[in-house]
Amino acid sequence: EVQLLESGGGLVQPGGSLRLSCAASGFSFSSYGMSWVRQAPGKGLEWVSAMSGGAISTYYADSVEGRFTISRDNSKNTLYLQMNSLRAEDTAVYYCAKEYFQNSLHDAFDMWGQGTMVTVSS
Amino acid sequence: QSVLTQPPSASGTPGQRVIISCSGSISNIETNTVNWYQQLPGMAPKLLIYGDNQGPSGVPDRFSGSKSGTSASLAISGLQSEDEADYYCAAWDDRVSGVLFGGGTKLTVL
Repeated sequence: EVQLLESGGGLVQPGGSLRLSCAASGFSFSSYGMSWVRQAPGKGLEWVSAMSGGAISTYYADSVEGRFTISRDNSKNTLYLQMNSLRAEDTAVYYCAKEYFQNSLHDAFDMWGQGTMVTVSS
Repeated sequence: QSVLTQPPSASGTPGQRVIISCSGSISNIETNTVNWYQQLPGMAPKLLIYGDNQGPSGVPDRFSGSKSGTSASLAISGLQSEDEADYYCAAWDDRVSGVLFGGGTKLTVL
C-alpha cells in the first residue's frame, strides 16, 4: 500500500526554523518526483516546492524561494522541507505529494500524506 | 491570488450535472495538462482527473474533465450528496516553473 506520512510540524516563532519530513512506503521512492503543497487555515491549496526522483531538479514557489529548501534521502525513502526565516503567512497544513508518473515533475499528484500543521506565531 | 481562476462556489441538486470551470493562460493550461482534485472536509486532497480528461482507477466515471485552449472544465453528473467538497484545478506553469492551483470551488449539494 502506498503511504506518505508527514511529521515535524509544530509551533514556531517568526524568524524561526523547522524541518518537515515525509516518510514514503509502498512504491519505488527514487523513481518519483515529490512535492510539498500547503494549505493555510480556511484557504486553498498552494504548491511550495518539488524535487525530481534523482534529486537533480528542484523548483520553488516565489513565496518561499531562498527561505525553504527541499531535499530527499532515497536510501531512507524520505522527503524533507527545511523551512527558515518563517513568517506568519507560512502558517498552514503542509502536505507531501507523489507524482503520478515516474520520472516526472509536471504531472498530477496521485498520493498525498495526511498533512502536518505548522503554526508561526509569537 | 491564484493565476488559475475558478468560481468560488457551485451548487446542484441530487442527480443533476454540474460543471466547474478553470481559466488560465498559454503558459499553464494551454501548454500543459490539467489535473483536478477533490478535497472532502478535513481530509487531504484526492486526485480526480489527470491529463486533462483521464480518471484514475477507482474514481467514478461520473467525473469527467475537458480542456479547450486556456480553459478547462470538470463535469460531475448524477450529483450525489457525498460529492459535496472543495474542487481544485491545477497545472504546471512554464513561466514560473511551478505548479499552479486554482482558488478552489466549494460544491454544495442542495
